[in-house]
Amino acid sequence: DTGVSQDPRHKITKRGQNVTFRCDPISEHNRLYWYRQTLGQGPEFLTYFQNEAQLEKSRLLSDRFSAERPKGSFSTLEIQRTEQGDSAMYLCASSLSPELFFGEGSRLTVL
Amino acid sequence: AQTVTQSQPEMSVQEAETVTLSCTYDTSESNYYLFWYKQPPSRQMILVIRQEAYKQQNATENRFSVNFQKAAKSFSLKISDSQLGDTAMYFCAFMNHPTGANSKLTFGKGITLSVRP
Repeated sequence: DTGVSQDPRHKITKRGQNVTFRCDPISEHNRLYWYRQTLGQGPEFLTYFQNEAQLEKSRLLSDRFSAERPKGSFSTLEIQRTEQGDSAMYLCASSLSPELFFGEGSRLTVL
Repeated sequence: AQTVTQSQPEMSVQEAETVTLSCTYDTSESNYYLFWYKQPPSRQMILVIRQEAYKQQNATENRFSVNFQKAAKSFSLKISDSQLGDTAMYFCAFMNHPTGANSKLTFGKGITLSVRP
């Protein structure tokens, strides 16, 4: 059990650029979650998958955000045309049921 | 929609003493899970303890225990014999169903706990 892995750990980008984050869940976990966390706040739900199906998306997930989980394995979260307000820690978690296991997060800084 | 409220932004406790962190939640469901997660500075979120709503017995994990009051929708965490390594943000979280749709985890805003030597 290698835990939930996220890549990259840090990303600095200029406003208007696209960024993509990758999450590799714990191998036998069928559910995968994305959260966003800003400094000193609790994680906010973005979306989650059960196997390859995206079952729920938050209203926080604007049209500029898209997530995929091809073949029910790893997942990617893409943010298009980044804005300064997108600066945050993006957390991935996986689960078999019911508790979630989190990765170390991908920190995004938009200049 | 479910909400989780942690009204205390910060707490401090002397090493070896006991501290209680408060959490309330709102739901119309009868079957759900409650969790406490710990996030040390610049480190990943880890599970501290979980409670199934249908179980009347309060969950315990070593120095950590909960006081689950279902009617009052209250879920507090007690940390006994506090250690310096307990210094972290603590998040209370709620999950409606563990499978299928609507099984997301909803977090409170968190509480920063500092353990003084």
